[in-house]
Amino acid sequence: AQTVTQSQPEMSVQEAETVTLSCTYDTSENNYYLFWYKQPPSRQMILVIRQEAYKQQNATENRFSVNFQKAAKSFSLKISDSQLGDTAMYFCAFMKPPSGAGSYQLTFGKGTKLSVIP
Amino acid sequence: GAVVSQHPSRVICKSGTSVKIECRSLDFQATTMFWYRQFPKQSLMLMATSNEGSKATYEQGVEKDKFLINHASLTLSTLTVTSAHPEDSSFYICSARVRYRGSLGVDTQYFGPGTRLTVL
Repeated sequence: AQTVTQSQPEMSVQEAETVTLSCTYDTSENNYYLFWYKQPPSRQMILVIRQEAYKQQNATENRFSVNFQKAAKSFSLKISDSQLGDTAMYFCAFMKPPSGAGSYQLTFGKGTKLSVIP
Repeated sequence: GAVVSQHPSRVICKSGTSVKIECRSLDFQATTMFWYRQFPKQSLMLMATSNEGSKATYEQGVEKDKFLINHASLTLSTLTVTSAHPEDSSFYICSARVRYRGSLGVDTQYFGPGTRLTVL
């Protein structure tokens, strides 16, 4: 079974600064997907960024980028130029490849609560 | 694109009654939908996987007869909490997996806004 670990329960960052959220995972699979979702106070889960394990290039989405280290099983999220609207719970998630039992299921970490301070 | 709706957003019911929650993918077809439960300040707990036209697959510890799931079309899945009790009070979230390749990205789950269930 896969496990996802987010070791930082809470973090804070000054507006306009950069922050990095950590995520490690454990799996015996070679092909898989990794995601970061944010859940603001509204509780709507919003996709932030996704990474396919077979791609060596780190994914980027505007101010959000990841540092994907496959051998180390690490998938950190960097938020640049932090904005007040980035305040949310951030969940790292792992998805099994599309075959076998439990396909397409997401395994979530426990989350990191990020507060952006004005 | 990739919009998932959930209805109702909030529901309060008396103990012993049944409550139905709808999850719809509005602008894409979803072969697979998922139902999660989230307790305050905790992560999402997968309850079941719903596949269009077939029986849902429930996670260990989830009562099939209490949480009835129907996935009648490629855009609609429903969760019915039968004979609800106060311990069923929670935040229920659905997600839908994108079926086709394209700008939305393959094998990505998009989430509904959630339903707050309170059982008195």
